[in-house]
Amino acid sequence: NAGVTQTPKFQVLKTGQSMTLQCAQDMNHNSMYWYRQDPGMGLRLIYYSASEGTTDKGEVPNGYNVSRLNKREFSLRLESAAPSQTSVYFCASSERGGGLNTQYFGPGTRLTVL
Amino acid sequence: QQQVKQSPQSLIVQKGGISIINCAYENTAFDYFPWYQQFPGKGPALLIAIRPDVSEKKEGRFTISFNKSAKQFSLHIMDSQPGDSATYFCAASMMGGNTPLVFGKGTRLSVIA
Repeated sequence: NAGVTQTPKFQVLKTGQSMTLQCAQDMNHNSMYWYRQDPGMGLRLIYYSASEGTTDKGEVPNGYNVSRLNKREFSLRLESAAPSQTSVYFCASSERGGGLNTQYFGPGTRLTVL
Repeated sequence: QQQVKQSPQSLIVQKGGISIINCAYENTAFDYFPWYQQFPGKGPALLIAIRPDVSEKKEGRFTISFNKSAKQFSLHIMDSQPGDSATYFCAASMMGGNTPLVFGKGTRLSVIA
């Protein structure tokens, strides 16, 4: 039982390049989330998927797109990377949204955009 | 609009001391308040959580105190240890519905010997 896995662990991009961050969970959770973490800013929600087939914007969605590929996988795409997107990205999942549902986080992807 | 305000941003405590982190929320519809702990290089993990029908919840050295009228809740770490050094996030959500957790900005705790 691997929990939440993310690939890659580290990535360096040049401004304007695109990439997809992959996330998978093996806990049969319905809800999945993408956060970015920046110093002094805490965890900011980018997008979430309450259930397979649905996605919704979070606090900071600009510059990102997501795909809920199936119940297990939720990917985050940067179409044209910018230095402001340098951050640590975390994927998380929970049995469903709302309270009393623990969010389980992956180990993170550290992204640098030059 | 920051829905959950957390303070302090950083905290240094002597080994054996009490660490206290405070959070305040605005949305009275929130009814579930977890705390997450994050070690360097790792993702956050649930530490302890409380519902507003109780004023305090204790798990080992970790205690959440909740004040519904003031819309505030706090994490107390008793007998703080160097292994407690981490970033702590408070959060809030509504038990009903499907909305994600709203996180505070985090507190970096350092416990020094």
